[in-house]
Amino acid sequence: EADIYQTPRYLVIGTGKKITLECSQTMGHDKMYWYQQDPGMELHLIHYSYGVNSTEKGDLSSESTVSRIRTEHFPLTLESARPSHTSQYLCASSDYTTKTGSYEQYFGPGTRLTVT
Amino acid sequence: GESVGLHLPTLSVQEGDNSIINCAYSNSASDYFIWYKQESGKGPQFIIDIRSNMDKRQGQRVTVLLNKTVKHLSLQIAATQPGDSAVYFCAELYGQNFVFGPGTRLSVLP
Repeated sequence: EADIYQTPRYLVIGTGKKITLECSQTMGHDKMYWYQQDPGMELHLIHYSYGVNSTEKGDLSSESTVSRIRTEHFPLTLESARPSHTSQYLCASSDYTTKTGSYEQYFGPGTRLTVT
Repeated sequence: GESVGLHLPTLSVQEGDNSIINCAYSNSASDYFIWYKQESGKGPQFIIDIRSNMDKRQGQRVTVLLNKTVKHLSLQIAATQPGDSAVYFCAELYGQNFVFGPGTRLSVLP
């Protein structure tokens, strides 16, 4: 069972509101990611971090921002939500395991955001 | 840009039959691939991975095949069960990040 958590699971807000989606992991992973996913569609990387004080924008342009002050915490903020932000947001963390040669990437359950 | 895509958006199989889900990738330099399973309302879950120095890797009821010549990846599920119904994604490690395909929805018929 992956120890990565996201809150809230569901959120419905009005246009123009500021929101923060929380993501925390207890596995001590350095790398963390935020993906945006429409139902049944591919995942688009919007932000990633390789460690504390490291944040980068992903492939998909996003009006959101992230911060990484602590290893375990990687919140995503929308300053002014719009209907086009309606989507599912997935947080993930990963680490390379030399024992198995695998990149262990674990996903949180996601936050389904609806902006009215 | 580099991308990973799936051939079929949906796949329906009879319970007990074998399933084969396909994936095409475009970056011949990629050396690591993962298959994920995503159930409704949940985040993707790691199923199996494979490195480019391998052609085949087996797990519990699942096998991943890699054909580097045609840049093709497949996931085989043996004796498909109702619990296998989900969306399956392949992902390619490009640089230090993963690129995901659009997903194939697997439906298991009783």
